[in-house]
Order: sequence, then structure tokens, then C-alpha cells
Amino acid sequence: KAGVTQTPRYLIKTRGQQVTLSCSPISGHRSVSWYQQTPGQGLQFLFEYFSETQRNKGNFPGRFSGRQFSNSRSEMNVSTLELGDSALYLCASSLWQGITSTDTQYFGPGTRLTVL
Amino acid sequence: QKEVEQNSGPLSVPEGAIASLNCTYSDRGSQSFFWYRQYSGKSPELIMFIYSNGDKEDGRFTAQLNKASQYVSLLIRDSQPSDSATYLCAVKGDYGQNFVFGPGTRLSVLP
Repeated sequence: KAGVTQTPRYLIKTRGQQVTLSCSPISGHRSVSWYQQTPGQGLQFLFEYFSETQRNKGNFPGRFSGRQFSNSRSEMNVSTLELGDSALYLCASSLWQGITSTDTQYFGPGTRLTVL
Repeated sequence: QKEVEQNSGPLSVPEGAIASLNCTYSDRGSQSFFWYRQYSGKSPELIMFIYSNGDKEDGRFTAQLNKASQYVSLLIRDSQPSDSATYLCAVKGDYGQNFVFGPGTRLSVLP
């Protein structure tokens, strides 16, 4: 079974621009979570989508948004990019069928975003 | 604010030794606990998960959970240089709650 895929793998943008990142979960997985990872802050939770609905949200400004499509694929968007948005953005999917044992998250390879 | 704490390290152990990685969490309602390994420049990969108090073994890895003490650990037996990585502890609460990750412990296994 194919793993979580993320596109693009690398991205360079300038301040003020916007960016859209894409994530395709493992087949059959319905929950998709997004994380930002920086050397100083570690792995920070952005948001989680389940069945096209945002189920949880972390403490990030409104410039960070996301959505999930009916096929469980997800996108996240960052508008008005700032230098501090340079990070590795990770997507993780889980099966989640209402019981704890289906909760395990599997990560994609990430998108490395550099803001100049 | 739910928190997960880990010693940032680096933790250095000689090849063949047992590496012990520790994690504490603040939310008593936490239900499931995960260990991920992350090599430099790569994404986290799942090592194992544990839900019940006690030990769970998988090959050279043993996870230990003590909910009363809000403590979870990972033991790596016969450590190899290829085990050198950052180990992330993750904790999840009840249905619908998100994962909370610790800052990670950097492990260095010296040949």
C-alpha cells in the first residue's frame, strides 16, 4: 500500500506571496493532520481534517488554512508569507474508525518551504 | 495546555548498550502513546505505540507505560549506530483530540 505523499517536496517563495501544499493520505485513511517543524519549535500541530471537516486546530494565525476533499486528499494554504514560515511542513494520516487502535499517524516526506 | 516533555539530549551510548529514552505528559486523560524516530532531514517514522500500562516489546525496542506516573519510556537494546536519530514521543487523548508531540531526544550511538 502506498504511503502518504506530499507535493511539492521543495518550495522557495518570497515574503508576501502565498503557497498551497498538497497531501494524499494512505488509501482508506480519513484523517489528515498538518504539522510545522522548525529547529527551534519542534513539531507544531496546525490542524486536523476528518471527513472534510476541520476537527482540531492549533495555535497558528489565520494566514494558515486548510481543507479536505471528498477523497480525503488535503491541502494547506499559507497566505502573506513571512520569513518565519520557513519550515518543514508535514502531513500525517490515520485510519481512525472510532477506536484507539486505528489512531496511529503515518507521516509523509514533508514539504520544505523556504521564504526569502 | 497539554504538554509532553522529553530530555533534548544529546544522549550518547556506546554501540551494543541499552538506550533509555523518557517522556512525561501532563494530560491524565491521555489514551495512546507513540514513539517516532526521525533521521536528520527526514520525516518521522513510527517505531511503536502503546495503550496499556506495562511493557510492550517489538524486536530490539520496548515501550513502557505508567499512567499513574504519567510516564512513558522507550528502551533500545543492542543499540546500533543506525539508531542515531531524534526520537519523538507523541501522546493522544480521547476521541477527536489531536496528537501532542514532545520536543524529541537526540540519540547518538557511538561505534
